[in-house]
Amino acid sequence: GQSLEQPSEVTAVEGAIVQINCTYQTSGFYGLSWYQQHDGGAPTFLSYNGLDGLEETGRFSSFLSRSDSYGYLLLQELQMKDSASYFCAVREAGSGAGSYQLTFGKGTKLSVIP
Amino acid sequence: DTAVSQTPKYLVTQMGNDKSIKCEQNLGHDTMYWYKQDSKKFLKIMFSYNNKELIINETVPNRFSPKSPDKAHLNLHINSLELGDSAVYFCASSQESGHVGEAFFGQGTRLTVV
Repeated sequence: GQSLEQPSEVTAVEGAIVQINCTYQTSGFYGLSWYQQHDGGAPTFLSYNGLDGLEETGRFSSFLSRSDSYGYLLLQELQMKDSASYFCAVREAGSGAGSYQLTFGKGTKLSVIP
Repeated sequence: DTAVSQTPKYLVTQMGNDKSIKCEQNLGHDTMYWYKQDSKKFLKIMFSYNNKELIINETVPNRFSPKSPDKAHLNLHINSLELGDSAVYFCASSQESGHVGEAFFGQGTRLTVV
């Protein structure tokens, strides 16, 4: 089986930096993704880490340590519009040869306050 | 020119009915998914379909069945609807060969069973 753990809620001040951690347990691990979802909307892709290290995309960065089964999403210069749920997701092998699936954590609700 | 489109956006129906949700992607992706998001925002994978191979989450009742007429479509049929089926259902697609990690989601179908 597989499991992902991330904090259920985080509150941070506008302009600050926040880190959302994710630990996972899975077999056939290929990579870790992060998605953002605003209330009433669909999840949208933020970043993907297939290898250890840091990936930076504008104000958002994501980190992966495969040996620790751990990753995080770092949001800098927080804006009010960043208030949303953030999901980590593992890309892992499916049951058939060459097949994959994307399994999500339970999400972290980020509230940005003035 | 929507990448992943699903219909209908809202669906209200009575217990015991049979309903279908349609999903189409025009991205040429080789993998499609169905997810159920409950009131606690947990995104639970229901099915993934890759190169005509269906991977079923074993916790999904057999009242739910995916149908893929071609690579661009993955429809969801639900028989004998129950109150607990009320949720938002998301279709998604990704390209699992080559660049990986990014899944595109449809707008979601909010299903309410009364």
